[in-house]
Amino acid sequence: NAGVTQTPKFQVLKTGQSMTLQCAQDMNHNSMYWYRQDPGMGLRLIYYSASEGTTDKGEVPNGYNVSRLNKREFSLRLESAAPSQTSVYFCASSEPGLKGYGYTFGSGTRLTVV
Amino acid sequence: AQSVTQLGSHVSVSEGALVLLRCNYSSSVPPYLFWYVQYPNQGLQLLLKYTTGATLVKGINGFEAEFKKSETSFHLTKPSAHMSDAAEYFCAVSGTASKLTFGTGTRLQVTL
Repeated sequence: NAGVTQTPKFQVLKTGQSMTLQCAQDMNHNSMYWYRQDPGMGLRLIYYSASEGTTDKGEVPNGYNVSRLNKREFSLRLESAAPSQTSVYFCASSEPGLKGYGYTFGSGTRLTVV
Repeated sequence: AQSVTQLGSHVSVSEGALVLLRCNYSSSVPPYLFWYVQYPNQGLQLLLKYTTGATLVKGINGFEAEFKKSETSFHLTKPSAHMSDAAEYFCAVSGTASKLTFGTGTRLQVTL
């Protein structure tokens, strides 16, 4: 029962470095999402992929890029990390055909940019 | 478009007391409503959801919520708080698509 798997769990980057956060789901869901969570701001949508081959910007896309590699995998890339990108990042998946299904979340990646 | 407002970023209750976490929503279409719970250093876990039908929905760990269309509310309650209920709780609404909009969260503290 893996659900949604995120790697890595923790990461420290220096300003200007790049990295890719990985996410994979084994529930055959069509839609996948990347959120960031910051104190007092709840979850904010960075990018989402409604189905394989499509990606769309969310509320806070600046400084990020995504790739929907296949139906299972959805990665988030920081090309040049900035301290403002210090956050906890969550990947989630859902099945659009089941509106009442809700999301299944990964356990998160805690990123610190120094 | 849809939005969620959670009243109170922090709520503190005594063990055994009633838990009431407030959520009001705005949606241009009939909403699907969710409560998620996040324990420290973990991801979000679905607590309960309202889709259609019965307006009082029961979730895990003794929590329940009532959908009140006239008040555009979906408040979360539990009759008797336990220390293990200490966590952050998020209300969310889904509108025309499966994309969820989350509230800013309410941190529940349970004291002895």
